[in-house]
Amino acid sequence: EVHLLQSGGGLVQPGGSLRLSCAASGFTFSGYAMRWVRQAPGKGLEWISGIIGSGTSTFYADSVKGRFTISRDNSKNTLYLEMNSLRAEDTAVYYCGKGGSTYSFDYWGQGILVTVSS
Amino acid sequence: QTVVTQEPSFSVSPGGTVTLTCGLSSGSVSTSYYPSWYQQTPGQAPRTLIYSTNSRSSGVPDRFSGSILGNKAALTITGAQADDESDYYCMLYLGSGIFVFGTGTKVTVL
Repeated sequence: EVHLLQSGGGLVQPGGSLRLSCAASGFTFSGYAMRWVRQAPGKGLEWISGIIGSGTSTFYADSVKGRFTISRDNSKNTLYLEMNSLRAEDTAVYYCGKGGSTYSFDYWGQGILVTVSS
Repeated sequence: QTVVTQEPSFSVSPGGTVTLTCGLSSGSVSTSYYPSWYQQTPGQAPRTLIYSTNSRSSGVPDRFSGSILGNKAALTITGAQADDESDYYCMLYLGSGIFVFGTGTKVTVL
């Protein structure tokens, strides 16, 4: 059974940094793209970043490009999102997701709240 | 900037049918965008319903179906049930590893 367990959220001051983790189990982690999605309070879903199975290619939405870095450790079956220069508008629940068979998600993490506030 | 538009809300009677659509601010949605659909209830993670236009995800009831209608992707719920009351989001693949979600549709069953 596929599980994605997220950790690392919390309260951070504007301009600060935070690293999210997503520990995967139940599938061959290195064989699948992984992605991050966020949802600001009361708002819709926003795709923000993706990484292919090997980790050699990464992709970002314009809203986070240059500030956020996605990475993965296939030896630890873990996905990461390093978030720098955080702004109030980055406040959201962040979800990790496993890439599905064709440009979709098939499994999701439980979500974790990141609050950027002084 | 690419904007993906969905109806803000829909109401459907129990047992009724509702079709949600997913359109592009400029251009038509085709299978080349690999439209997918997600259901989300408040406080919960999204659940994958449909991928690659019309393929149902594992465990999804067959009352959910996906298609292309005209120049939009569509999600049809046939025989709506009370627990279908949720927010629904489409997602399109724009190429080069980039995705975009639609604005979301709130479905009420009453």
